[in-house]
Amino acid sequence: SQQGEEDPQALSIQEGENATMNCSYKTSINNLQWYRQNSGRGLVHLILIRSNEREKHSGRLRVTLDTSKKSSSLLITASRAADTASYFCATDARNFNKFYFGSGTKLNVKP
Amino acid sequence: EPEVTQTPSHQVTQMGQEVILRCVPISNHLYFYWYRQILGQKVEFLVSFYNNEISEKSEIFDDQFSVERPDGSNFTLKIRSTKLEDSAMYFCASSDDRGWETQYFGPGTRLLVL
Repeated sequence: SQQGEEDPQALSIQEGENATMNCSYKTSINNLQWYRQNSGRGLVHLILIRSNEREKHSGRLRVTLDTSKKSSSLLITASRAADTASYFCATDARNFNKFYFGSGTKLNVKP
Repeated sequence: EPEVTQTPSHQVTQMGQEVILRCVPISNHLYFYWYRQILGQKVEFLVSFYNNEISEKSEIFDDQFSVERPDGSNFTLKIRSTKLEDSAMYFCASSDDRGWETQYFGPGTRLLVL
C-alpha cells in the first residue's frame, strides 16, 4: 500500500512567510523523514522523527508527528527564496530495508 | 561532511545496451540502496543490500537488474538490457549500522535510454 502522500501538491508564498506541508501515511511506521529536492537534483535529508516523538526542531524547520492520525507536518519558518524546492516525506512502514516516498510538495518562495 | 557520490551524473544509452551505475556510499555505512525517480513521478525503491547480499527488492527490480559491491567502497547497479522505460534518475543511498536510520542519498545519475 502507498505511504507518504503530501499535500498540498504545490505551495507558493512570499519570502518571510511560513510554509506548512503535510504528509499522510497508511501503515505503522518506525520513523518518518523529510527530504528536499531541488529541481533535477539529489535528495537532501532534512529531519527524522521517530514514532515515539511528537515534535522535532532543526533550525527553521519544525516537524510534528501524529501517529494516531498517521500524519506529519513540516513547517518552514521565515522562508527564503533558497527554500524553493520539492519536499518529500518518506516512511519506513516498519521495514528497515526501504522507504516509501510521497509525490512531494513543490514549494515556491517568491523574493 | 561525508557524502554519497555517484558516477556518471548523466548517461545516454541505446535501448538494449548494458549500463552500470556507480556509487560510493559513506565509508562507515553498512546498508546500501538504489531508488529511481521517473521524471515527474515518485521516488521508488528498487533494492536494498546488506552484508553482501540483497535484503529486499521491489517488483521493479527484475532479472534485468543486478547489484554488486565489487570492493570495499563501490556499490553498483547494472541494467543488463536497457528499455526505454528505464529512463529515470537513479539514486544510491546508504545508512549506518542502525539499518532503518537516516538514508543519505547521492546526487543521482540521470539515465536516458534512446
